[in-house]
Amino acid sequence: GIQVEQSPPDLILQEGANSTLRCNFSDSVNNLQWFHQNPWGQLINLFYIPSGTKQNGRLSATTVATERYSLLYISSSQTTDSGVYFCAANYGGATNKLIFGTGTLLAVQP
Amino acid sequence: GAGVSQSPSNKVTEKGKDVELRCDPISGHTALYWYRQSLGQGLEFLIYFQGNSAPDKSGLPSDRFSAERTGGSVSTLTIQRTQQEDSAVYLCASISSGSGYEQYFGPGTRLTVT
Repeated sequence: GIQVEQSPPDLILQEGANSTLRCNFSDSVNNLQWFHQNPWGQLINLFYIPSGTKQNGRLSATTVATERYSLLYISSSQTTDSGVYFCAANYGGATNKLIFGTGTLLAVQP
Repeated sequence: GAGVSQSPSNKVTEKGKDVELRCDPISGHTALYWYRQSLGQGLEFLIYFQGNSAPDKSGLPSDRFSAERTGGSVSTLTIQRTQQEDSAVYLCASISSGSGYEQYFGPGTRLTVT
């Protein structure tokens, strides 16, 4: 079936370090989104990136649709970056529902 | 403008009681989704509304779950005869038909069934 896999499952960083989170998806996608879930549970939109590269401040993302993966880069990490990062793929169909990965739990230590 | 809002933010209920969860999508957004986030199951799709079309209920886990969307805006998710396995965070998302497929999520309702 349709799958979205994320790695690593958890990650501990020292403040100021860089990191790369990976998302693999099993089929061609209409859309891929990256979210940050904050400690209160809110899903914050980071990137809407079905293909190509986007940057927003210290964060950037690249999706290589032909190879079915997406990468989220976090540079100069801060303690406020801590939380769970989800990627979610929209495989189209009638609903365009999102299929979520299991997330990467990031802890940034001061 | 305002984002997706949900109420209540937290709900504790006794097993067997009915609950109603509310979602106010972003104004003008035509499509609305309900998802559930629970331990062991992750984030999963429940139901989808698009305009006046019949909803896609394929993700609802049992017939105790139902949802409606009145006037193409506010949606209510109802869980009848709640069970402990219904404990989860229920998330609502909406999409503007003119902005591709980017979904915007509300803060969620944390449901605890005791």
